[in-house]
Amino acid sequence: QKEVEQDPGPLSVPEGAIVSLNCTYSNSAFQYFMWYRQYSRKGPELLMYTYSSGNKEDGRFTAQVDKSSKYISLFIRDSQPSDSATYLCAMSEGGGFKTIFGAGTRLFVKA
Amino acid sequence: GAGVSQSPSNKVTEKGKDVELRCDPISGHTALYWYRQSLGQGLEFLIYFQGNSAPDKSGLPSDRFSAERTGGSVSTLTIQRTQQEDSAVYLCASSLGRQEQFFGPGTRLTVL
Repeated sequence: QKEVEQDPGPLSVPEGAIVSLNCTYSNSAFQYFMWYRQYSRKGPELLMYTYSSGNKEDGRFTAQVDKSSKYISLFIRDSQPSDSATYLCAMSEGGGFKTIFGAGTRLFVKA
Repeated sequence: GAGVSQSPSNKVTEKGKDVELRCDPISGHTALYWYRQSLGQGLEFLIYFQGNSAPDKSGLPSDRFSAERTGGSVSTLTIQRTQQEDSAVYLCASSLGRQEQFFGPGTRLTVL
């Protein structure tokens, strides 16, 4: 079993839809949770960074962490065609910087 | 300012040859990471360096893989006796402490 599980999709939604992306994990020592966006043939770029449980909002993006369920989510409101990309969740423990990524979910937003 | 750069952008090699991949991190970033991304897959952690601490090599898949970081800046990932399963995009990232990792464009390695 992988430490971080993420449905690879693809996920196709119409423009303006609310998108929900999720990851589950097995390592209870994870304390830092990130979401990265990766466009084709580019390196990933950070979208959201949260510590421990709770919600964090940034514009159209909301990240949620539920440590009791070992489950994290990224919500995208009013999705746009420019949001079409692969979204990767990532996590690390408190002690070191080693970061474990999910497989990534490929999202298509249709105009 | 300059971001993370990697060279070469593409590398085609024959099975059994050694390859070196280079990463120039953002100036002043203390942490440097190497990842491998196979077609349609997420990022597989390989190794990270943080300041003067011993690197965390726990993700290196075999002893054919090694990496070094000279002077706390440039890093080289070396793959000896390459195999076809080593074909992937190798991504380097750097960060200032634990915060956001900034990624380079990657090196696409093809082993024939």
